[in-house]
Parts: sequence; C-alpha cells; structure tokens
Amino acid sequence: DSGVTQTPKHLITATGQRVTLRCSPRSGDLSVYWYQQSLDQGLQFLIQYYNGEERAKGNILERFSAQQFPDLHSELNLSSLELGDSALYFCASSASGVGEKLFFGSGTQLSVL
Amino acid sequence: TQLLEQSPQFLSIQEGENLTVYCNSSSVFSSLQWYRQEPGEGPVLLVTVVTGGEVKKLKRLTFQFGDARKDSSLHITAAQTGDTGLYLCAGNTGGFKTIFGAGTRLFVKA
Repeated sequence: DSGVTQTPKHLITATGQRVTLRCSPRSGDLSVYWYQQSLDQGLQFLIQYYNGEERAKGNILERFSAQQFPDLHSELNLSSLELGDSALYFCASSASGVGEKLFFGSGTQLSVL
Repeated sequence: TQLLEQSPQFLSIQEGENLTVYCNSSSVFSSLQWYRQEPGEGPVLLVTVVTGGEVKKLKRLTFQFGDARKDSSLHITAAQTGDTGLYLCAGNTGGFKTIFGAGTRLFVKA
C-alpha cells in the first residue's frame, strides 16, 4: 500500500460528459502529480501541484483542469469527454516535489463510451 | 523536448535467462529512476541513480547510470516469473517535472 488513495477505481461515462477524479496524497507529502497512461503512449505527465500551487504543467488538454486543496487532496476535472480520453489516470505524491521518489495510487480507469 | 526512449518495448524470455533493458535520452538528467508496474496497480520505485557512472544492485537487478547522465540500463540476472511486469524509467532534469519512458513490458515464462 503506497498510502496514496484514488477514487473512484473505475468510471464509465459517455462522450461530452464531465467527471472528477480525486486523490489523497500520502500523509506528510506536499506535492501531487497527475499522469495519464494509455496503451500506446505510456505514462504522460499532466500536471503537478505543491502545497496548493501549480508547479509544473505537461501535456494537459484545455478541457482538463486540476487543483490542490488546503487539506492537500487534489482533484482532476475532465470535461467534454472524448473517446480518446479513455485511459488510466494516476495520481502520485512526494514530499517536496523535486526529483524525488513518487508514490503512486492504484489509478482510476476511465472508459468513455 | 525531453524524451526518454526505452528498448525493447516488449521482451519474452524463459525463467533463468538474463536480460538488459535500456533507457536513452538526448537530455541530461539530475536523477533517473526505475519503476516496476504490475497490472491494475501504480508504478513502484525500484531505484534512483544520481551520479554519472553509478551502479546500484538490488538482489538480481543491476542498474547503471551513464557517465553523461543521459542513459541508463537495467540488467536482470536469472529472471524469475515474479519479475514479469512493466519496467519504466523516469527522469528529472532538476525541475519539478518527472517524465517517464513508455516502458519495457517483460514476460518471464516458467
């Protein structure tokens, strides 16, 4: 058990809809990362937060947004969903967020039908 | 653009064989990590290397960081069925972004 909690584990929705994925980091970790994993593109970095502030941005679409709350949990919002958004979405956390060991949650499997 | 290229993409071997997987980039990394991921789970860290030329051993696994800190290799001796999984390398150039390679999917047959 990594200590990182992601909910829900599975999510099935339709095109055009909006969903919210939730992540609780390990106790004491201030940094949260979001990654998207699909079969053909590996693990793609989306965005990173540190203590409530955005620190780094990767290949995150404009239809996607995220935030980290004062209690350090984070949410990833995906809107106007398309078939191609179907993937595994992972959250990871680390203590300070600079080149450290990342602890990953078990992921949310999103299926857009 | 920072890219980490892993090879081979897929490897199927018999139990007891040795293997090496590679992680290459044109970028210099301040640190490089290897993770292993099993189906339905998130990646789990195996090792972090930070010094050019560094070699680290973890039981039957040997990790090497290139002298120029642009590449790394993972060697497994006498593979076991429990080594089956997706091996990912991840690099950090000193900032906040940690990027991952596409992974090598290893299948060890009994």
